[in-house]
Amino acid sequence: AQSVTQPDIHITVSEGASLELRCNYSYGATPYLFWYVQSPGQGLQLLLKYFSGDTLVQGIKGFEAEFKRSQSSFNLRKPSVHWSDAAEYFCAVVSPSGGYQKVTFGIGTKLQVIP
Amino acid sequence: KAGVTQTPRYLIKTRGQQVTLSCSPISGHRSVSWYQQTPGQGLQFLFEYFSETQRNKGNFPGRFSGRQFSNSRSEMNVSTLELGDSALYLCASSPATGGNTEAFFGQGTRLTVV
Repeated sequence: AQSVTQPDIHITVSEGASLELRCNYSYGATPYLFWYVQSPGQGLQLLLKYFSGDTLVQGIKGFEAEFKRSQSSFNLRKPSVHWSDAAEYFCAVVSPSGGYQKVTFGIGTKLQVIP
Repeated sequence: KAGVTQTPRYLIKTRGQQVTLSCSPISGHRSVSWYQQTPGQGLQFLFEYFSETQRNKGNFPGRFSGRQFSNSRSEMNVSTLELGDSALYLCASSPATGGNTEAFFGQGTRLTVV
């Protein structure tokens, strides 16, 4: 069974500092990988996704993520955090087999940005 | 293009009652998935519908059911509500089923069971 681990439940960074949110997955093959962001009271918005090809993917709002097969990781990064980035971030894995869209989300990482 | 619309946004129900939540996907999207979000369990997959057929189902009791109409709108029903069903219920739509399509989420329905 596939699983997703986000080891950091809460992260606090200073505005302007760099950010890295960790995501590790467990799945037999290379899954489809996603990062979503959720602001309070809102639904989820897709930041970026990885299906295949270049392992460094660029997303919206200046975010990027790197897929590392050897480490089963898909960490999200941003070089300089803005106060508006404060939100909860979810890593998700989709198993591509069978044509079914079975999605497994991580528990989420809540990001606090301090001035 | 309008986004995913979920109604109602907020709902308060009493234990033992039943509830129906509605989701209108983005125009042209045929896949609708439902998720339950709670602080303790995070986001958990409930089920996915595509072209009026349930394609996949998560590990939830039979009290949770859903359906999809010919216009792709979907409803989720929870019968015999329990306090633990209090959660944010999110709906997501995609153009097609399968893993390599982006899911667009609605703002959710916040259900409180008292």
